[in-house]
Amino acid sequence: EAGVTQFPSHSVIEKGQTVTLRCDPISGHDNLYWYRRVMGKEIKFLLHFVKESKQDESGMPNNRFLAERTGGTYSTLKVQPAELEDSGVYFCASSRDRSQETQYFGPGTRLLVL
Amino acid sequence: GNSVTQMEGPVTLSEEAFLTINCTYTATGYPSLFWYVQYPGEGLQLLLKATKADDKGSNKGFEATYRKETTSFHLEKGSVQVSDSAVYFCALRTYTDKLIFGTGTRLQVFP
Repeated sequence: EAGVTQFPSHSVIEKGQTVTLRCDPISGHDNLYWYRRVMGKEIKFLLHFVKESKQDESGMPNNRFLAERTGGTYSTLKVQPAELEDSGVYFCASSRDRSQETQYFGPGTRLLVL
Repeated sequence: GNSVTQMEGPVTLSEEAFLTINCTYTATGYPSLFWYVQYPGEGLQLLLKATKADDKGSNKGFEATYRKETTSFHLEKGSVQVSDSAVYFCALRTYTDKLIFGTGTRLQVFP
């Protein structure tokens, strides 16, 4: 079974540009989560999809961040326009259902905004 | 609110030494507790978990016991190896389904 995959692995952009991160969850997993780790601090929750619906987006920092999961498969996280403080590692995770509880993480996308 | 506090690193040990990484939590209700590990150049991997008080999670020689009375979930290993060098994250999960992480503790094991 393939794990959670994320693309790109690294991205370097200038302040004000747009970046789109992609996450492919494990096949059959309805739950998809985005997290990020900024500047070596704790990993923080951004949002949670159940299939194509946003279940919880309480962790989204501001309206420069837009997450989508059309069709309930892969998800994208767009940052527009990017700011310096958006630099960090963005992780995606998926789980089959809430009762299982285990979230399986992807390798992360390392974003650097200059 | 819900939070996780874990000891700051780096923790530097010689091979075969005993390891303890402290983790305490604050939570409403009865959370599940997790340890995740991130090896160099890789993503987060679930190391072990415990879903209720007094449960002991174990994997790869690592253990952690869910202590409700002290709100702790300390990670231990009796004899570390160089290959255990990684960043270890303690986390909790409440009814809201999202994980709340500590800041991570870097472990460096030298031969």
